[in-house]
Amino acid sequence: EAGVTQSPTHLIKTRGQQATLRCSPISGHTSVYWYQQALGLGLQFLLWYDEGEERNRGNFPPRFSGRQFPNYSSELNVNALELEDSALYLCASSLRGALNEQFFGPGTRLTVL
Amino acid sequence: QKEVEQDPGPLSVPEGAIVSLNCTYSNSAFQYFMWYRQYSRKGPELLMYTYSSGNKEDGRFTAQVDKSSKYISLFIRDSQPSDSATYLCAMSEMNTGGFKTIFGAGTRLFVKA
Repeated sequence: EAGVTQSPTHLIKTRGQQATLRCSPISGHTSVYWYQQALGLGLQFLLWYDEGEERNRGNFPPRFSGRQFPNYSSELNVNALELEDSALYLCASSLRGALNEQFFGPGTRLTVL
Repeated sequence: QKEVEQDPGPLSVPEGAIVSLNCTYSNSAFQYFMWYRQYSRKGPELLMYTYSSGNKEDGRFTAQVDKSSKYISLFIRDSQPSDSATYLCAMSEMNTGGFKTIFGAGTRLFVKA
C-alpha cells in the first residue's frame, strides 16, 4: 500500500514569492493535515481538511491557505513568503477525524532566500 | 509554559539498554497520547497511541500514560542502533470547536553499537 506522498521534495523561493506544496493521502483516507517543522522546533499544526472542507486551523496568518480536492489530495499555498517560513512542511492523512492515527509523508523542504 | 514539554536530549545509550523517554503536559483535556519516531530527513512514523490512562505494549515498546501526573513515557527494551532517531510525543483533544494536536519538540536518541 502506498504511503502519503508529497511534492516537491525541495523548494527554493525568494522573499515575497508564493509557494505551492502538494500532498496525496493514503488510499481510503479522507482527512489531510498540514504541519510546519522549523529547525529546532516541534511540529506546529497548520490546517486540517476533511471531505473537501477546512475543519480546523492552527495559529498561522491567513497567507497560509490550502484546499482539498475531490480525490482527497491537498495543496498548501504560502503567499508573500518570509525568511522565517523556511521549514519542513509535513502532510499527514488519516481516516476521517482519526487524529490519533495520522500517517506522515516525507515532507517538502522549503527554503526562502 | 508550553502545553507539552519534552527534553530534547540528546540521549546516548549502549546497545541493549532500556531507554525511557518522557513528556509532561499541562492541558488536562488531552485524550489521545501518541509517540512518533522520526529518522533524519524523513516524516514522523506513528509508533503507538493510547487513549486516556494506562499502559500499552507493542514488541519492545511500552507506552505509559499517567493523567493524574500529566506525564507520559515511552520505554524501549533491548535498544538497537536502528532505534537511533528523534522521538516525538503528541497529544490530542477533540471538542466541539474542532481538534488540537500538540507535538513535543522531540528527543534525539543515539544507540551505540
